Amino acid sequence: EVQLVESGGGLVQPGGSLRLSCAASGFTFSNYWMSWVRQAPGKGLEWVANIKQDGSEKYYVDSVKGRFTISRDNAKNSLYLQMNSLRAEDTAVYYCARPLYGNKGLFDYWGQGTLDTVSS
Amino acid sequence: QSVLTQPPSVSGAPGQRVTISCTGSSSNIGAGYDVHWYQQLPGTAPKRLIYGNSNRPSGVPDRFSGSKSGTSASLAITGLQTEDEADYYCQSYDSSLSAVVFGGGTKLTVL
Repeated sequence: EVQLVESGGGLVQPGGSLRLSCAASGFTFSNYWMSWVRQAPGKGLEWVANIKQDGSEKYYVDSVKGRFTISRDNAKNSLYLQMNSLRAEDTAVYYCARPLYGNKGLFDYWGQGTLDTVSS
Repeated sequence: QSVLTQPPSVSGAPGQRVTISCTGSSSNIGAGYDVHWYQQLPGTAPKRLIYGNSNRPSGVPDRFSGSKSGTSASLAITGLQTEDEADYYCQSYDSSLSAVVFGGGTKLTVL
């Protein structure tokens, strides 16, 4: 059974940093692109970042470029999102998701999400 | 403002049929990129509902169907049931933005 379990969310002050993790199991992690998708409270879904199987390609939504970094450790079956210079508008539930279409989406599995709150 | 436009809400009585539109442009749906649909029940993660414009994953009832034409796509739900109350999102890819894009979401209310 495919499972994606996020962790690392919490309360952080504006300008601060946070590192999210996603532990994957039930499939060969190194064979798949992986993504982060977020959802602000009461709002819709927003794609955040994608990373290729070997980490050689990474893509970001414009609003996080230069502040967020997606990475992965295939030996640990884990996906990460390093978030720096956080803003109030980054407050959201962050989902780890598996995109079947590589950097073009079609997310077939999602984690349960982890809440990141940016507030003073 | 989302790149893909969906109506904020739709409603219908049990047993009825509703459709949810997803309007894009020549750089996403109109460029030939596939449209996928997700269902998000309250308090849960999204679930894949329709993929590749009109395909249903196993386990999704055939009451749900998708279509695509030009720069738009649609999700149809027939025989509405109370458990269909959820938020629905379309998703595609935009070549101008080099980004995965979602619609703003549509809240379905079963009256």
